[in-house]
Formats: sequence, C-alpha cells, structure tokens
Amino acid sequence: KAGVTQTPRYLIKTRGQQVTLSCSPISGHRSVSWYQQTPGQGLQFLFEYFSETQRNKGNFPGRFSGRQFSNSRSEMNVSTLELGDSALYLCASSWTSGARDEQFFGPGTRLTVL
Amino acid sequence: GENVEQHPSTLSVQEGDSAVIKCTYSDSASNYFPWYKQELGKGPQLIIDIRSNVGEKKDQRIAVTLNKTAKHFSLHITETQPEDSAVYFCAARGAGGSYIPTFGRGTSLIVHP
Repeated sequence: KAGVTQTPRYLIKTRGQQVTLSCSPISGHRSVSWYQQTPGQGLQFLFEYFSETQRNKGNFPGRFSGRQFSNSRSEMNVSTLELGDSALYLCASSWTSGARDEQFFGPGTRLTVL
Repeated sequence: GENVEQHPSTLSVQEGDSAVIKCTYSDSASNYFPWYKQELGKGPQLIIDIRSNVGEKKDQRIAVTLNKTAKHFSLHITETQPEDSAVYFCAARGAGGSYIPTFGRGTSLIVHP
C-alpha cells in the first residue's frame, strides 16, 4: 500500500512569489492535514480538509490556503512568500476526520524562500 | 489554546539503556496523545499512542504512561538500540469536530553503540 506522497520534495522561491504544494493521501483516506515544521516553532498545524471541506484551521495568516479535490488529493498554496515561510511542509492523511484516527505523514516538501 | 511542553530537548544514552521523554499539557479536554518518531529526511511516524481512558500502553520495547490528574504523559524506551536515534515528538489532541493537534518541541535521542 503506497504511503502519503508529496510533490515537489524541494522548492526554492524568492520573496513575493507564490507556491503550490501537492499531497496525495493513502488510498481510501479522506482526511488530509497540513503542517509547517521549522526549527524555531516546531510542528504547527495549518489546516485539515475532509471531503473537500476545510474542517479545522490553525493560527496562520490568510496567505496560507488549501483545497481538496474529489479524489482526496490536496494542494496547499502560499501567496506573497516571506523569508519566514522557509520550512518543511508536511501533509498527513487519515481515514476520517476527528480525534480518533491515526495520521500518516508524508516525507514533506522543503521550501526555501530567498 | 493547548500548550505542550516536552523535556528533555536532547537525550544521550548508551545502547541497552532506557530512555524516558516527558510531556505536559494544559488543556484538560485533550484526550488523545500520540508519539511520533522522525528520522532525518522523513516525515514523523506514529510509534505509539494513548487515549485518556487508559493509564498505560506497551508495545514491545516502547511504553507510554498517562497521568490525567497531573496532565503529563511519558514515553519509555527500553533496551535502546542505535536505530532508535531520531527526534521524538509528543502531541495532544482533543475530541469532536475541533481537534487541532499541538506538538511538543521534540527530543533528539542519541543512542551510542
């Protein structure tokens, strides 16, 4: 069974640009969550999508947005990139939404903003 | 919101020793406490979890204990091996529709052969 895949694995952008990251969950999983991981702030929850609807949202500015497609694949977009957006962006999938399901993480996309 | 404190930030042990990592949480509504292991270049991997209706859970060399009254939970690894070297994260999540997970800052475990 294939795991969570994220593309691209590495990305370099400059300030002011925008970026789109992609996540394909494990087959059958309907929930996709996104996290930002930095040395300074650790692992922080961005948002969660379930059946194409945003179910939960962390404390991030509106420049961070996402969506989920009918096949459960998800994309995350960051507009007007800032240096502080440099981070490892992780995607995790689970069967359903809520607190009871194990989340499976992908390998992440390493974003560098110059 | 929830706040999760994790200690120590770095833990160095000899192969075969035990390792203990501790976390405290602030929100008494949190009821699910997973532990993740993250190796270099990989995403976190769930290694064990515990729910608030259970005090202890064990899986081979790994165990987790939960003290709801004191709001703390701990990861215990016995007979450590070099391949246990990684960063370990604890997390706390609530129930229901709003369950934003909060993570500890991580513990870098180094097991010396």
